[in-house]
Amino acid sequence: AQTVTQSQPEMSVQEAETVTLSCTYDTSESDYYLFWYKQPPSRQMILVIRQEAYKQQNATENRFSVNFQKAAKSFSLKISDSQLGDAAMYFCAYRRASGGSNYKLTFGKGTLLTVNP
Amino acid sequence: DTAVSQTPKYLVTQMGNDKSIKCEQNLGHDTMYWYKQDSKKFLKIMFSYNNKELIINETVPNRFSPKSPDKAHLNLHINSLELGDSAVYFCASSPTGGQPQHFGDGTRLSIL
Repeated sequence: AQTVTQSQPEMSVQEAETVTLSCTYDTSESDYYLFWYKQPPSRQMILVIRQEAYKQQNATENRFSVNFQKAAKSFSLKISDSQLGDAAMYFCAYRRASGGSNYKLTFGKGTLLTVNP
Repeated sequence: DTAVSQTPKYLVTQMGNDKSIKCEQNLGHDTMYWYKQDSKKFLKIMFSYNNKELIINETVPNRFSPKSPDKAHLNLHINSLELGDSAVYFCASSPTGGQPQHFGDGTRLSIL
């Protein structure tokens, strides 16, 4: 079974600084997808960024980028120029790429990010 | 305009009662899901339906019964509610392929 581990229960960053959130996962599959979701206090689940395992290039979305290391099974999220609105719980998630319609997400336990003004 | 909508947003009820949560998506997706987020914020899959067919049932007690009348709707009925059922329940949907899941805003269920 796939597992996702986020080893940092909490992180903090100063506004305008850069922070990196860690995620490792375990799978025997060669093709899969990885995601970072953000959950602010409003409790919405917001997709931040997505990475396809067969793509070597790291995904980027504006101030958000990932460092995807397939051999090490590592998928960290870098937030540049942190803003107060980035404060939230961040979840790393794994999804297999094949297997009929079994597209469930397996989540890590989350990292609570605080942004200090 | 809401892509995945759940009702109600909050549900407070007594132990032993039966309650339902409704979910509708207007994205034309084939697959819908229910996730449970516990008090420690851990999110875990409960059920998944693809074109009205159950494809995932993650060892959820049979007090929980999902129903999908059509591929745009996936409702969750819970019988004989217990204190441990207190959680936030999220509905989500996705198309086939690698596209990410879209989540509803969650339903906070509190059992007194």
